[in-house]
Amino acid sequence: AQKITQTQPGMFVQEKEAVTLDCTYDTSDPSYGLFWYKQPSSGEMIFLIYQGSYDQQNATEGRYSLNFQKARKSANLVISASQLGDSAMYFCAMREGLYTGGFKTIFGAGTRLFVKA
Amino acid sequence: ETGVTQTPRHLVMGMTNKKSLKCEQHLGHNAMYWYKQSAKKPLELMFVYSLEERVENNSVPSRFSPECPNSSHLFLHLHTLQPEDSALYLCASSQDHQANYGYTFGSGTRLTVV
Repeated sequence: AQKITQTQPGMFVQEKEAVTLDCTYDTSDPSYGLFWYKQPSSGEMIFLIYQGSYDQQNATEGRYSLNFQKARKSANLVISASQLGDSAMYFCAMREGLYTGGFKTIFGAGTRLFVKA
Repeated sequence: ETGVTQTPRHLVMGMTNKKSLKCEQHLGHNAMYWYKQSAKKPLELMFVYSLEERVENNSVPSRFSPECPNSSHLFLHLHTLQPEDSALYLCASSQDHQANYGYTFGSGTRLTVV
């Protein structure tokens, strides 16, 4: 069963505008972590932001924020003031059993973001 | 320069060859991972090592053999591969109990099996 779903294969955004990348997940584990990674064309995966299932506040890291809606099981990434260097693949990921020794992080299929000048 | 170094960056091998991929981290992390990234497929977890002990093996064919001699090094030994094994192989590391920092990935090895 698909545990991480990213429904947008590709997204376009104008430079300096905000963009939301969608992610929904499925788990019955009460303790889990949600992550977003960026993969530029160079291939390296870059960790962007983390949200724990027990966190009350939405995570923010600079221009990145995570819109966490636990009841809906969604963890959308919002990038504000897009820059040309934001053009890349973006992956949503989840790690279950966060406080019980869970080691497995699974990834969604990714969304390719294109930032237009 | 990432904290996780993978070598080689590119590898072309025949189906009868034996080769090894190397991953090295000096971040003080105690868990290391191998992922396979094929075109148009999500990243697939292959192996997980925690404190040099394999804790996860995701039904990977035996032609892939991991080795973790110490907490800083991880190898993936390859033999008699198939063309469908061509992919980007990513190594990652993490500190087990600091999940909020995510993984640190290497730049990957682009493997082509001919």
